[in-house]
Amino acid sequence: DAGVIQSPRHEVTEMGQEVTLRCKPISGHDYLFWYRQTMMRGLELLIYFNNNVPIDDSGMPEDRFSAKMPNASFSTLKIQPSEPRDSAVYFCASSPLDRGATQYFGPGTRLTVL
Amino acid sequence: QQQVKQSPQSLIVQKGGISIINCAYENTAFDYFPWYQQFPGKGPALLIAIRPDVSEKKEGRFTISFNKSAKQFSLHIMDSQPGDSATYFCAASSHSGGSNYKLTFGKGTLLTVNP
Repeated sequence: DAGVIQSPRHEVTEMGQEVTLRCKPISGHDYLFWYRQTMMRGLELLIYFNNNVPIDDSGMPEDRFSAKMPNASFSTLKIQPSEPRDSAVYFCASSPLDRGATQYFGPGTRLTVL
Repeated sequence: QQQVKQSPQSLIVQKGGISIINCAYENTAFDYFPWYQQFPGKGPALLIAIRPDVSEKKEGRFTISFNKSAKQFSLHIMDSQPGDSATYFCAASSHSGGSNYKLTFGKGTLLTVNP
């Protein structure tokens, strides 16, 4: 298995631009998670899905952030408009249906907003 | 409110020594406690995990010690090696009340093992 796939790996954009991050979870996994990692705040859960349905989006910082999962093999995290404080590494993780199941993380997307 | 407090923020150990990282939690509903290891430029990866029905779990050189009454758990790395140099995160989750599988992470500990 190729593991969780994220694209792009690096993104540099200017303030005000729309940014879309993409994730392909491991086939057969029922849960998908989006995290943001910064030095100041550590690893923060933004949103997670179960069977393509958003379950908890309480970590989404504000309305500029949105996430979708149109099918079991694809999810996007969109920031519109982007701001310099959104600069971070964004991780996608997936997990099979199991109590306390391991979350498998992707390699992350490093986002820099100038 | 930070629900999982991790210490120290950074740790330097000599090769062959013991590395100890501690975590404390507040939510008594937590019932799953994993540790993740992250190398630079990579995503976190599960290292070892424990449930509160046991006080210790060992996998190779890595051991989790769990103290339910104190609401604390720790990671011990025996015979630390330079290849263990990474950032370590403790985490916790609860599987009751509909918040299944939502992990709360500590802030991380940067471990450096000197040769």
